[in-house]
Amino acid sequence: DIQMTQSPSSLSASVGDRVTITCRASQSINNYLNWYQQKPGKAPKLLIYAASSLQSGVPSRFSGSGSGTDFTLTISSLQPEDFATYYCQQSNSTPYSFGQGTKLEIK
Amino acid sequence: EVQLVESGGDLVQPGGSLRLSCAASGFTFSSYAMSWVRQAPGKGLEWVSGISGSGGSTYYADSVKGRFTISRDNSKDSLYLQMNSLRAEDTAVYYCAKGHGRDGWGNWGQGTLVTVSS
Repeated sequence: DIQMTQSPSSLSASVGDRVTITCRASQSINNYLNWYQQKPGKAPKLLIYAASSLQSGVPSRFSGSGSGTDFTLTISSLQPEDFATYYCQQSNSTPYSFGQGTKLEIK
Repeated sequence: EVQLVESGGDLVQPGGSLRLSCAASGFTFSSYAMSWVRQAPGKGLEWVSGISGSGGSTYYADSVKGRFTISRDNSKDSLYLQMNSLRAEDTAVYYCAKGHGRDGWGNWGQGTLVTVSS
């Protein structure tokens, strides 16, 4: 099974900051990597699919990059509504697996 | 507009059974694979199971294989998860999601809470 490791586990930042979250797969997953945002009590929201494709309706300040085993999610200029938990998910092979999450908090 | 509405979550004793349902609307249900994803309280996300549009192919996480059964009724636009031999570690919010997950899950239900406790 493929293990996904996110870093950092938590992050404090300010409105307007540029933030990067990293996700590493235990083996190559090509570009089958998706990113989600989740707020307390809500279902996850898909932000990025296939490593770098922006889901419809998601602001352009969100971007993704990477291939193989190393991936990043970047938020170019944090907005108040971006404080949430972020998860990566590999979809290269079942069982699909998620990273442990990165909690983004207000500094 | 895509809508997914889960139901069936409850408090159940260890070893018990429960059936979750997910009612879908706003898209041609039979054309899409569907999935179940769960989240234990305060924990991360875990893919549980998936099913093809026809229902002919099913997939399970090792943690639930042999205990859970995913199914669908395309005439009723509904997805199901039969959960048997429930354990405390199955306690979670269960979400249904549209699609196989290959390009991510862009549509989710609101979730239904399953609590396994004596």
